[in-house]
Amino acid sequence: EDQVTQSPEALRLQEGESSSLNCSYTVSGLRGLFWYRQDPGKGPEFLFTLYSAGEEKEKERLKATLTKKESFLHITAPKPEDSATYLCAVQVSAGTALIFGKGTTLSVSS
Amino acid sequence: GAGVSQTPSNKVTEKGKYVELRCDPISGHTALYWYRQSLGQGPEFLIYFQGTGAADDSGLPNDRFFAVRPEGSVSTLKIQRTERGDSAVYLCASSSGVTDTQYFGPGTRLTVL
Repeated sequence: EDQVTQSPEALRLQEGESSSLNCSYTVSGLRGLFWYRQDPGKGPEFLFTLYSAGEEKEKERLKATLTKKESFLHITAPKPEDSATYLCAVQVSAGTALIFGKGTTLSVSS
Repeated sequence: GAGVSQTPSNKVTEKGKYVELRCDPISGHTALYWYRQSLGQGPEFLIYFQGTGAADDSGLPNDRFFAVRPEGSVSTLKIQRTERGDSAVYLCASSSGVTDTQYFGPGTRLTVL
């Protein structure tokens, strides 16, 4: 069964304290791995797509990396506005539905 | 440009009633997806349209749930004889088909009393 597991469930950081979120996956095939940010009461907002092991993508304080079994979302010097739930999802083949993890809720305090 | 829109943003109904949830995808996007998200969980797939036809409806939980996309643009998710367990946020996403990225709407929060 295709499965996505995110850890930790919740993470509290001080402003400027860098850390990483983990997304491990077990799938029959990987078309792509997606990271989304979700604020309370809003829909998921697209961040990155990774397609192959070794690939990295960066956006402001966020960097996503991919291996054959997991992905990391690295947050460098976070700010309070980075507080949100970060969702990881995999797509097994082109055009098919995304399989999501439960998310990591990040809280950054000043 | 305009993103995915969903109406209503909130819907409160009584057990046993019928509800319709609407999704307006990004203009020109051929693929449309419905997901359901419960509190503390990631979105779970319900149904996927490519154009006007349902390409995959394997996520629909039972025959009370039905969705249409008659002109290949707007889609409506229909739920008959609602149950309290149907309470969740219903999310719609669309994709151009050129890239795999799915763009989500703000969701409809359904509460069944």
